[in-house]
Amino acid sequence: DAGVIQSPRHEVTEMGQEVTLRCKPISGHNSLFWYRQTMMRGLELLIYFNNNVPIDDSGMPEDRFSAKMPNASFSTLKIQPSEPRDSAVYFCASSLGAGDQETQYFGPGTRLLVL
Amino acid sequence: GENVEQHPSTLSVQEGDSAVIKCTYSDSASNYFPWYKQELGKGPQLIIDIRSNVGEKKDQRIAVTLNKTAKHFSLHITETQPEDSAVYFCAASYFNKFYFGSGTKLNVKP
Repeated sequence: DAGVIQSPRHEVTEMGQEVTLRCKPISGHNSLFWYRQTMMRGLELLIYFNNNVPIDDSGMPEDRFSAKMPNASFSTLKIQPSEPRDSAVYFCASSLGAGDQETQYFGPGTRLLVL
Repeated sequence: GENVEQHPSTLSVQEGDSAVIKCTYSDSASNYFPWYKQELGKGPQLIIDIRSNVGEKKDQRIAVTLNKTAKHFSLHITETQPEDSAVYFCAASYFNKFYFGSGTKLNVKP
């Protein structure tokens, strides 16, 4: 079975450029989560969707970040304009439902470096 | 929100020894506690989880215990092997959101 798929796996860009990260959740999963991982702040939840609807975006750092989920099998996280402090590993995760006790399955991550 | 603390930050053991990682959480409303293993360059992978109505769960060499009264839970790895070397994260689920500990880097020396 295919797990969560993320692309690209690595991204190097220059400050001010737009960056788009992509995620395909596990088929049949109804909830999707975007996380950011840094040495300083660890794993932080940015936003999560349930049935393609954004439920909680309180972790999105600022207006430069936006996320969409146009259908059940695809989501994007966009940073525009990017800044060096956005350099991190971005993970997408999915779960079967949105309940408190639903296991989340993580993708391999996108390693973003903003110069 | 929830606050999860994890200790130790690094742990070095000899192959065959046991390893214990401890986490505490702040809100008694949290009711699901997964543990993830992250190898270098990869995403976190679930290794075991426990729900709030259970005190202990075991899966081969891995076990997790939960003390709801004290609001802490622990991961126990017995008979450690070099391939257990990785970063381990605990998490607490609070109102549909996971709050992660800061991670424990486990090094198993052959």
